[in-house]
Amino acid sequence: DAMVIQNPRYQVTQFGKPVTLSCSQTLNHNVMYWYQQKSSQAPKLLFHYYDKDFNNEADTPDNFQSRRPNTSFCFLDIRSPGLGDAAMYLCATSRTSAGSSYEQYFGPGTRLTVT
Amino acid sequence: RKEVEQDPGPFNVPEGATVAFNCTYSNSASQSFFWYRQDCRKEPKLLMSVYSSGNEDGRFTAQLNRASQYISLLIRDSKLSDSATYLCVVNIVTGGSYIPTFGRGTSLIVHP
Repeated sequence: DAMVIQNPRYQVTQFGKPVTLSCSQTLNHNVMYWYQQKSSQAPKLLFHYYDKDFNNEADTPDNFQSRRPNTSFCFLDIRSPGLGDAAMYLCATSRTSAGSSYEQYFGPGTRLTVT
Repeated sequence: RKEVEQDPGPFNVPEGATVAFNCTYSNSASQSFFWYRQDCRKEPKLLMSVYSSGNEDGRFTAQLNRASQYISLLIRDSKLSDSATYLCVVNIVTGGSYIPTFGRGTSLIVHP
């Protein structure tokens, strides 16, 4: 059974048209992450939620926003997509406890095309 | 200097070969270490966690050297299905959070 689910798997949007990507998890993990991955590059962390606490990476553009309404769901909003935002967007979860951190579980990703 | 560095390869090896990848990290506050495998146009999947004592899972062996700040992955008896990109991930403690930091990945091609 899928543990980290991303919808949609493929998204085509027009230049400047807002788009929302969703992620849900059945693992009850307290940490959720959003990554952007372009071809032949490592995943680039955009932001993460540690429980309800939002942590933005310093170089994440303001064009990218996120919401986590509850433990299970997390959304990535791209307010005005540009051609350079075309990429695979990966959601991941992990748990932390008592000063330890654990491995991440990734969703299958959403491939975003900007026309 | 990048926080996590890997040789991008590609490593092109015949079936049955033994191949080793190294990964170095610069932040001594690094706390947890992992190898992930990523197939083309798929998500990364955990291959192994890396423990201080070293660990083995079938044909795969991972080692951690904290003093020299590097992690290694050894694949014995390579199979065609091992062809993928192998990502080194280091969890770095930053402001009370654990930030997974990826290397750029090492590409492995196993040929007949």
